[in-house]
Amino acid sequence: GESVGLHLPTLSVQEGDNSIINCAYSNSASDYFIWYKQESGKGPQFIIDIRSNMDKRQGQRVTVLLNKTVKHLSLQIAATQPGDSAVYFCAAGGTSYGKLTFGQGTILTVHP
Amino acid sequence: EPEVTQTPSHQVTQMGQEVILRCVPISNHLYFYWYRQILGQKVEFLVSFYNNEISEKSEIFDDQFSVERPDGSNFTLKIRSTKLEDSAMYFCADSGNTNTEAFFGQGTRLTVV
Repeated sequence: GESVGLHLPTLSVQEGDNSIINCAYSNSASDYFIWYKQESGKGPQFIIDIRSNMDKRQGQRVTVLLNKTVKHLSLQIAATQPGDSAVYFCAAGGTSYGKLTFGQGTILTVHP
Repeated sequence: EPEVTQTPSHQVTQMGQEVILRCVPISNHLYFYWYRQILGQKVEFLVSFYNNEISEKSEIFDDQFSVERPDGSNFTLKIRSTKLEDSAMYFCADSGNTNTEAFFGQGTRLTVV
């Protein structure tokens, strides 16, 4: 079956630093990937997604990199702010009616 | 910005009781999902729903669970006889297409005592 895992459970950075959160997936049939941010007591909030035919996608202060060869993706947050502190999940999806498989989550803490 | 709305935000129920969790999806979205998140763990897929029927379900979604879209707008998750291990956050999500982002609601915290 498919699994999605994160390399590090916690990440602490200083305000203004760049953050990189990593994720590995196991199912080579996954064709899209999403990064979600979850703040305490709230539902996952969409950050950015990427399709399997791409290797990089940029948003506002965020970049997702996809390496299909090693089944790895990362989320880069530029100039991290205290408001970025949250749990970040990667999720992988295939063609199966939008079912997403989530990773374990990385806790990002940004110190002012 | 359109959003997925879930009620109640918190439900406490006794073991063995039935609960119904409710969701109002975004109006023009067609694909609906329920996920759950046990405290401190990852978000787990339960079921997907399209065209008034279940598209896929996980091994968690056993005979105790059911979903309905009774009035064309609300989307419900029913647990017939709750167990202690059903305590979790339950998230409703929807998307406009199968391969696009899923929008999540704020969740219902279910506590079974």
